[in-house]
Amino acid sequence: AQSVTQPDIHITVSEGASLELRCNYSYGATPYLFWYVQSPGQGLQLLLKYFSGDTLVQGIKGFEAEFKRSQSSFNLRKPSVHWSDAAEYFCAVGSGNTGKLIFGQGTTLQVKP
Amino acid sequence: SAVISQKPSRDICQRGTSLTIQCQVDSQVTMMFWYRQQPGQSLTLIATANQGSEATYESGFVIDKFPISRPNLTFSTLTVSNMSPEDSSIYLCSVEGRGGLAGELFFGEGSRLTVL
Repeated sequence: AQSVTQPDIHITVSEGASLELRCNYSYGATPYLFWYVQSPGQGLQLLLKYFSGDTLVQGIKGFEAEFKRSQSSFNLRKPSVHWSDAAEYFCAVGSGNTGKLIFGQGTTLQVKP
Repeated sequence: SAVISQKPSRDICQRGTSLTIQCQVDSQVTMMFWYRQQPGQSLTLIATANQGSEATYESGFVIDKFPISRPNLTFSTLTVSNMSPEDSSIYLCSVEGRGGLAGELFFGEGSRLTVL
C-alpha cells in the first residue's frame, strides 16, 4: 500500500538549533516527494520537491531535504531554526502526473526562544 | 505558480444543512482537486474535478455527500451535504503546476467548517 509516515508528531527545538524532520514512504512507482508547511490559519506552502537527479534538494526558507532510496526516506533539514518556522510540516508523495498526493500525518514544530 | 481563492474561509453550520465552497483560480487549469483535512489529521483527497465531465471520487467519498461542479477552467465548487459534526474539517482546493511544476500542487487557504 502507498503511504507516508512521519514518525514524529511533535518536535520542539530551540531557536538557532538544527532541525531534522523525518519522512518515510512506501510507493510502488518512482516517487515524486514533497514537503509542505502549514502555518496557523494558512494554506499549504511548498517548501521543496524531489523529482529526479541530485538527491539533495534545496528549498525555500533555508530548508533542504535528502532523498535516500535505500531507506525510502526524504528527511527535511534546516541548520538553524527561526521562531517563524513554528508550523505544521507535511511530507507527501505522488506519481507526478495525477495531482493526487498522499500526505503524512504531519509534524508540529515548536520553537523555543 | 497559481493563486487560489476559496470562499468561505470559515463557517459554522448546523447539523443536517449543506454548504457550498467555491474555488477560483487565477489561470486556466485542466484539473482541480479537493482535499479534506480533519482536525489534527493529514490531508485526504476527496475528488478530482475536470471541466466538462463528472468528478472522480476517491474511495470513501461519494457524489451524493460531496457533489462537485466544474463549470469552467478557472472555477469549481464543492458541496458538503447533510452535514454532521464529523464533517467538521478544513476543505482545500488545489491545482497542479504546469510544465516543470507538474506534479506539484498549489493550495488555497482552505475553508474551515465547524458543524454543530
